[in-house]
Amino acid sequence: DIQMTQSPPSLSASVGDRVTITCRASQTIRSYINWYQQKPGKAPKLLIYGVSSLQSGVPSRFSGSGSGTDFTLTIASLQPEDFATYYCQQTYSAPWPFGQGTKVEIK
Amino acid sequence: QVQLQESGPGLVKASETLSLTCTVSGDSISSYDWSWIRQSPGKGLECIGYIDDSGSTHYNPSLESRVTISADTSKNQFSLRLSSVTAADTAVYYCARRRYTSGFYFFDYWGQGSLVTVSS
Repeated sequence: DIQMTQSPPSLSASVGDRVTITCRASQTIRSYINWYQQKPGKAPKLLIYGVSSLQSGVPSRFSGSGSGTDFTLTIASLQPEDFATYYCQQTYSAPWPFGQGTKVEIK
Repeated sequence: QVQLQESGPGLVKASETLSLTCTVSGDSISSYDWSWIRQSPGKGLECIGYIDDSGSTHYNPSLESRVTISADTSKNQFSLRLSSVTAADTAVYYCARRRYTSGFYFFDYWGQGSLVTVSS
């Protein structure tokens, strides 16, 4: 199975900061990666699919990049509503695993 | 607006079968794939499987021997059955729509989640 490793597990940042979260696949997943945001007690929310395609309604401060095995989610200017946990997910092959998450906390 | 709602018992005894139903509104389940995903503190988010728009099922190999996903198009619902449960199956269970666009699959609509606890 392909493993997805996210880093860092958590980070502290201030409003207005640029934040970068990394996801590494144990083997190539081409461009088959999605990113989700989850707030406490809520279901995950799709942010980005296919490396860099922004889901409808998602602010443009969110962006994704990468290919093969190394991928990045970037929040250009962190807003108060962005404090949450972020997950990557590969859809290249079953069982379509998620990363372990990166919790973005207020500094 | 597509909405999904999980329903079913919140407590299941060990060795018995967990059963959940997802009721979909705002969309026909015949038009997309529909998935079950669970989240536990120990294993994080885990895809259980999905039923596609032709009615074929696809399961996580680690759960395949215990999982059945089915759909009732007349009620616009799909269901999950997980047999022989143990404490490791305690989790929040989500239903979600699996969508295909521009060559990529993703989960774009989710239910609110249903906590299922397995008791001994």
